[in-house]
Amino acid sequence: DSGVTQTPKHLITATGQRVTLRCSPRSGDLSVYWYQQSLDQGLQFLIQYYNGEERAKGNILERFSAQQFPDLHSELNLSSLELGDSALYFCASSALAGGPVGTDTQYFGPGTRLTVL
Amino acid sequence: KNQVEQSPQSLIILEGKNCTLQCNYTVSPFSNLRWYKQDTGRGPVSLTIMTFSENTKSNGRYTATLDADTKQSSLHITASQLSDSASYICVVSGGSQGNLIFGKGTKLSVKP
Repeated sequence: DSGVTQTPKHLITATGQRVTLRCSPRSGDLSVYWYQQSLDQGLQFLIQYYNGEERAKGNILERFSAQQFPDLHSELNLSSLELGDSALYFCASSALAGGPVGTDTQYFGPGTRLTVL
Repeated sequence: KNQVEQSPQSLIILEGKNCTLQCNYTVSPFSNLRWYKQDTGRGPVSLTIMTFSENTKSNGRYTATLDADTKQSSLHITASQLSDSASYICVVSGGSQGNLIFGKGTKLSVKP
């Protein structure tokens, strides 16, 4: 158990809909990262927040957005969903602000499996 | 183009044997290289993180090497166990945008 929690575990929705994925980082960690893992594209880095502020951006679509709240939990909002958005979405946390080029260890949550029908 | 290629795609070995997984990258400029272990349906677990100046890093039975000149890394697993069955993912950070570039992974099966 990494100490990172994600809810819900599974989500099934229809095309065109909007969903929110939630992540609570490990106690004391200030950075939250979001990743998408699909069968055809593998793992992709989406976005990082550090202590409430956006820190780094990866391959995040404009239909997707995220935020980190004062209690450090984070939410990833996916809108106008398409079939291709079906994937595992992982959240990871780390203690420092390092970001993609940093060397702090990232601890991954169990993921949310999103199915778009 | 920034890419990370892993080989082999899949590997089957007998319990107790050693194995080596390869990762070649074309990412420039280079910041660091990570190896992750991912069990099916679960989140990745960090094994090692290496910067430009590090040649070798160990984590128990896992030893990663990095040759920044040839842009190659390897992950050596010693005395394999059934629990080593997983996908092993190489991730390179860098590039002009400071991004993370993931390999497609090597799926390792350890048989009794």
